[in-house]
Amino acid sequence: DAKTTQPPSMDCAEGRAANLPCNHSTISGNEYVYWYRQIHSQGPQYIIHGLKNNETNEMASLIITEDRKSSTLILPHATLRDTAVYYCIVRSLTPEKLTFGTGTRLTIIP
Amino acid sequence: DTAVSQTPKYLVTQMGNDKSIKCEQNLGHDTMYWYKQDSKKFLKIMFSYNNKELIINETVPNRFSPKSPDKAHLNLHINSLELGDSAVYFCASSQGRESGGYPFVNEQFFGPGTRLTVL
Repeated sequence: DAKTTQPPSMDCAEGRAANLPCNHSTISGNEYVYWYRQIHSQGPQYIIHGLKNNETNEMASLIITEDRKSSTLILPHATLRDTAVYYCIVRSLTPEKLTFGTGTRLTIIP
Repeated sequence: DTAVSQTPKYLVTQMGNDKSIKCEQNLGHDTMYWYKQDSKKFLKIMFSYNNKELIINETVPNRFSPKSPDKAHLNLHINSLELGDSAVYFCASSQGRESGGYPFVNEQFFGPGTRLTVL
């Protein structure tokens, strides 16, 4: 049921910016783009979300294209602790559930 | 002062047994969830409760029954355990809030998970 497409895996050098792409070409006008990550053996962790404007918080930046068919999560200075599976999720206001896809396994290389 | 806690962390049991997993959140949230992550790492929602009322019930066998004694707790009871029930079960909570007249569900906070192994 996931409506997003992500690369299965990516590597990034420690200290560099990690750019994780996500395609959501069937997104509808009232659907938001959410990003979560799951560090090995832990529960998923919320990162950021947006509707159509770019967003930034203390963890990451979210860039959404003007047509909203794709987005990019940016971790500006990746650390080893950012190694995790990153999930891009498209969701509407209701029902109140997250539909996880297969995500991108990001490995930060020392 | 863990936000969302689950007990036990590990649960090993025999087929046919009945077991429960407990979840508690101290965030004052009004919505709680149960998710299942199978051996292939697919994470799927099972149930959602809002103010002790069931609002989402995905295609889950009726051997699984969520129970919410109060807003801060959502326990998962499983009857007649089967081998295929082996998985990691995550509890989560969130707080709905108003935004522009629409109810907007905030981010979900997940517990550490309970690894269930059925032998």
